[in-house]
Amino acid sequence: AQSVTQLDSQVPVFEEAPVELRCNYSSSVSVYLFWYVQYPNQGLQLLLKYLSGSTLVKGINGFEAEFNKSQTSFHLRKPSVHISDTAEYFCAVRPGAGSYQLTFGKGTKLSVIP
Amino acid sequence: DARVTQTPRHKVTEMGQEVTMRCQPILGHNTVFWYRQTMMQGLELLAYFRNRAPLDDSGMPKDRFSAEMPDATLATLKIQPSEPRDSAVYFCASGLPTGTDTQYFGPGTRLTVL
Repeated sequence: AQSVTQLDSQVPVFEEAPVELRCNYSSSVSVYLFWYVQYPNQGLQLLLKYLSGSTLVKGINGFEAEFNKSQTSFHLRKPSVHISDTAEYFCAVRPGAGSYQLTFGKGTKLSVIP
Repeated sequence: DARVTQTPRHKVTEMGQEVTMRCQPILGHNTVFWYRQTMMQGLELLAYFRNRAPLDDSGMPKDRFSAEMPDATLATLKIQPSEPRDSAVYFCASGLPTGTDTQYFGPGTRLTVL
């Protein structure tokens, strides 16, 4: 079984400042990793994913994440946030083979302050 | 722009009533997922289908919940009888179990059981 821990439930940050949203996972098998974003009253939208290859993954809206196998982490970063980035961000994991089930973290609410 | 659609978007009902939520996956997607989102539990997988066959519904309370795919363009989630603790946002997602491994989420059905 897999589990995901998002270490911060809320992250306030000033506009144009950098941000890092932390995600750690636990799994006995190799995994694929995902970050999704949820804007108010909407469904989830994929930001980026790590399947294999380069550990630095770039996604939409200027976000990137780095897979660190030794630390079992997949932290999300953006060098300069905008007001429009205010949303809830979910880290998710699924086994690298076989099942297609995603296990989500509890989410991190990012609030960008003007 | 292909999207997953869900109806209704909002549903208020009284305890004991039957509730049916519908999902139209993206045309050509053969994997469909049902998730429930609550403040306390976050995002939980209820069930998922591939090629209309249920692969896993272990996340669903069996005595009151049922999920079906009558055809490739329609997935349903029923609750009978409904209870106040079923109040949540229910998301449907669809995808292809190859290639990008991306799940595409619908906008959700917000259910309130009084």
